[in-house]
Amino acid sequence: SQTIHQWPATLVQPVGSPLSLECTVEGTSNPNLYWYRQAAGRGLQLLFYSVGIGQISSEVPQNLSASRPQDRQFILSSKKLLLSDSGFYLCAWSRQGATFYGYTFGSGTRLTVV
Amino acid sequence: AQSVTQPDIHITVSEGASLELRCNYSYGATPYLFWYVQSPGQGLQLLLKYFSGDTLVQGIKGFEAEFKRSQSSFNLRKPSVHWSDAAEYFCAVGARPGSARQLTFGSGTQLTVLP
Repeated sequence: SQTIHQWPATLVQPVGSPLSLECTVEGTSNPNLYWYRQAAGRGLQLLFYSVGIGQISSEVPQNLSASRPQDRQFILSSKKLLLSDSGFYLCAWSRQGATFYGYTFGSGTRLTVV
Repeated sequence: AQSVTQPDIHITVSEGASLELRCNYSYGATPYLFWYVQSPGQGLQLLLKYFSGDTLVQGIKGFEAEFKRSQSSFNLRKPSVHWSDAAEYFCAVGARPGSARQLTFGSGTQLTVLP
């Protein structure tokens, strides 16, 4: 069966520090991968998605970047965190192809920038 | 492009009462429709989905949803709410298969359950 791992679960970082959040998927190949953010009291904001290694689409220009160095690995990064980067970050995956099954989400990372 | 509206930001019900969460979508073709639930500090869990066929779909935890094309709605229902149902609920509409940018989410409805 397929599983998605996301870590760390919580993170407290000072303003101006770098960020690296990692997401990996097991039990499938060539998935679509997604990074979402939830700010306090707000809905889901799609940040990045990827259809393959090295292929990243950005939905919102901001202080963050994403990379996909391996087929089932998706990384969210920042060189210098801002206070506004605080939030709950969710990774998700979906199958590619003609049949759509929806998204499967990781358990999320709570990021607090202080 | 597709869009989803969840008109109720917050709903409060008593335990044992019935529940209906509203969802309206906009999409030019037959949609793929989903309901997800998020407990505090957790990821989103799929409750149910509609692709085609019977317009009343059953999901996990006793939830069901009805697709009404004429009203562009996909409301979530539960006949008797349990305290453990307190969470945030997201409706989502899916684009055509093969598109990477597949799901558009509503802004969510926060459910509070009173004892």
